[in-house]
Amino acid sequence: QVQLVQSGAEVRKPGASVKVSCKASGYTFNRYVFHWVRQAPGQGLEWMGIINPSDGTAVPAQKFRGRVRMTRDTSTTTLYMELISLTSEDTAIYYCAREGAGTYIYDYWGQGTLVTVST
Amino acid sequence: QTVVTQEPSLTVSPGGTVTLTCALTTGAVTSAYFPNWFQQKVGQAPRAVIYGATNKHSWTPARFSGSLLGGKAALTLSGVQPEDEAEYHCLLYYGNAWVFGGGTKLTVL
Repeated sequence: QVQLVQSGAEVRKPGASVKVSCKASGYTFNRYVFHWVRQAPGQGLEWMGIINPSDGTAVPAQKFRGRVRMTRDTSTTTLYMELISLTSEDTAIYYCAREGAGTYIYDYWGQGTLVTVST
Repeated sequence: QTVVTQEPSLTVSPGGTVTLTCALTTGAVTSAYFPNWFQQKVGQAPRAVIYGATNKHSWTPARFSGSLLGGKAALTLSGVQPEDEAEYHCLLYYGNAWVFGGGTKLTVL
């Protein structure tokens, strides 16, 4: 069965960076693309960007350009999202979500990773 | 700036029918925006329920249906159950990016 298992909660100070992982299993890794989505406390969902695991091509949302890096490790079928220059406004739950490549169909989501930015 | 709007909150009685909508400030929503709908219960990750405006996933309850209605994407729940109480998010593909609506909190009361 398809599983997307994310790394555990993180606490960072302002100005630091954080790297969240999303381990995928139960299907052919390269046949799907992945999105990163975040949700600040009490807020809606916010799309951060997309990565294609087959070639590593990543396109961040305009808001996050220059501050987010999305990568993958095909040997471990794991996706990574690194966010730098953190501020308190980056406190949120970060999710990975799968889309069938070129289908515009979102299906499975990771369980989420809480990132807290605090002094 | 592209804005996707949803009703902030709706209330429905058990067994009733409710329609949630998803609108674009720049014009009508069509199938070309590939509307996706997600259900999110308190403390849980979102769960996909509708894709391509009208299509259900294998796990989507039959009482959920998606449509394009009056220039908006719509999610209709017929015969609402208490377990349908949740936040519902729509997602549109716009200008090589994806944009979420603000979410609708659905209360079953």
